[in-house]
Amino acid sequence: AQSVTQLGSHVSVSEGALVLLRCNYSSSVPPYLFWYVQYPNQGLQLLLKYTSAATLVKGINGFEAEFKKSETSFHLTKPSAHMSDAAEYFCAVSANFGNEKLTFGTGTRLTIIP
Amino acid sequence: KAGVTQTPRYLIKTRGQQVTLSCSPISGHRSVSWYQQTPGQGLQFLFEYFSETQRNKGNFPGRFSGRQFSNSRSEMNVSTLELGDSALYLCASSPGEGQFDEQFFGPGTRLTVL
Repeated sequence: AQSVTQLGSHVSVSEGALVLLRCNYSSSVPPYLFWYVQYPNQGLQLLLKYTSAATLVKGINGFEAEFKKSETSFHLTKPSAHMSDAAEYFCAVSANFGNEKLTFGTGTRLTIIP
Repeated sequence: KAGVTQTPRYLIKTRGQQVTLSCSPISGHRSVSWYQQTPGQGLQFLFEYFSETQRNKGNFPGRFSGRQFSNSRSEMNVSTLELGDSALYLCASSPGEGQFDEQFFGPGTRLTVL
């Protein structure tokens, strides 16, 4: 079975500061890992995904994440926060080939302080 | 290319009624997945359909059902509604034929059960 744990349900950072959102995974097989963002009253948008091609994954809007097998982590970072980054972020895992089920973390709400 | 569309966007029902939600995937996508999002339980996988067949199912009671049509459009039905069924229901589509295809989410249908 696969699962993800997101540490910190709420994170606040100042505009221009580093954004770090934490995600740890548990999987019995090499996982596929994802970060999604959700803006109010909208669906989910994929930020980036890890599918074993490269451990450092670059996504949209300046976000990136590093897969660390030894730490079972896939933390999301952005060097400089922008007001438009305020949203809820979800880490997700899938481990099955040909199986589209995603298991999501509980989400982290990111607030940007002007 | 048009994105995933869901209808209706908002729905209010009373306990004991049934409801049908609709999802039109991105053109060419054959896999449609459904998720329930609530403040208490987060994002939970309901089921996935591929080429009109249910390929995977989450841990929801039999009151939750779905189907997929030959044009890949999907519907989900909830019978005998309970207050706890109030949630945002998200639909996601993907090509469905790769090792893992990116899922594209619709804006969701917000169901309120009174």
